[in-house]
Amino acid sequence: DIQMTQSPSSVSASLGDRVTITCRASQEIGTSLAWYQQKPGKAPKLLIYAASSLHSGVPSRFSGSGSGTDFTLTISSLLPEDFATYHCQQAKKFPLTFGGGTKVEIK
Amino acid sequence: QITLKESGPTLVKPTQTLTLACTFSGFSLNTPGVGVGWIRQPPGKALEWLAFIYGDDDKRYNPSLETRVSITKDTSKDQVVLTMTNVDPVDTATYYCAHKPLGLLHPADFDFWGQGTLVTVSS
Repeated sequence: DIQMTQSPSSVSASLGDRVTITCRASQEIGTSLAWYQQKPGKAPKLLIYAASSLHSGVPSRFSGSGSGTDFTLTISSLLPEDFATYHCQQAKKFPLTFGGGTKVEIK
Repeated sequence: QITLKESGPTLVKPTQTLTLACTFSGFSLNTPGVGVGWIRQPPGKALEWLAFIYGDDDKRYNPSLETRVSITKDTSKDQVVLTMTNVDPVDTATYYCAHKPLGLLHPADFDFWGQGTLVTVSS
């Protein structure tokens, strides 16, 4: 199985901050990586697919980069609605696997 | 507009069989390359992928659960059904179904999710 390791597991940030979350795959996955945002009690929402493609309706302050084994999700300027947990998922091979999640909290 | 909704029991006893239905609209699961997956999330824990079915009826399972899980589709009802046998308290989780879109840029990611259903396994 491909292991997905996210870091940090949590980050405290202020409104307007730039936040970067990292996801590392245990083997090469090309650009077959998705990022999701999840708020408490709600289902995950797709933000980024194919490592860097913005899903329809997702604000441009979200961006993704990377290929191979190392990937990043960046929020350029944090807004109140961005406080949530973020998950990465590799879509290269079955079994599909997710990272452990990164909680973005208010400082 | 694509929507999915999970339904099934909220409480099951250990060793019983859990059956969950995902009723969807806005797409056809007869289309090759389109798919529906099941993902679960124990309280306070990470997401775990369980099973996946393509429009051509190709099925994939998480090897850690493969002997206990089955996925089927009923295109006449626009439903995907997940069956999990011999449940245990560790299977307590919110269960989600989700849509995989068509396209080379979407090998197996999910663009629309159901709201989820919390299933508790307890005697």
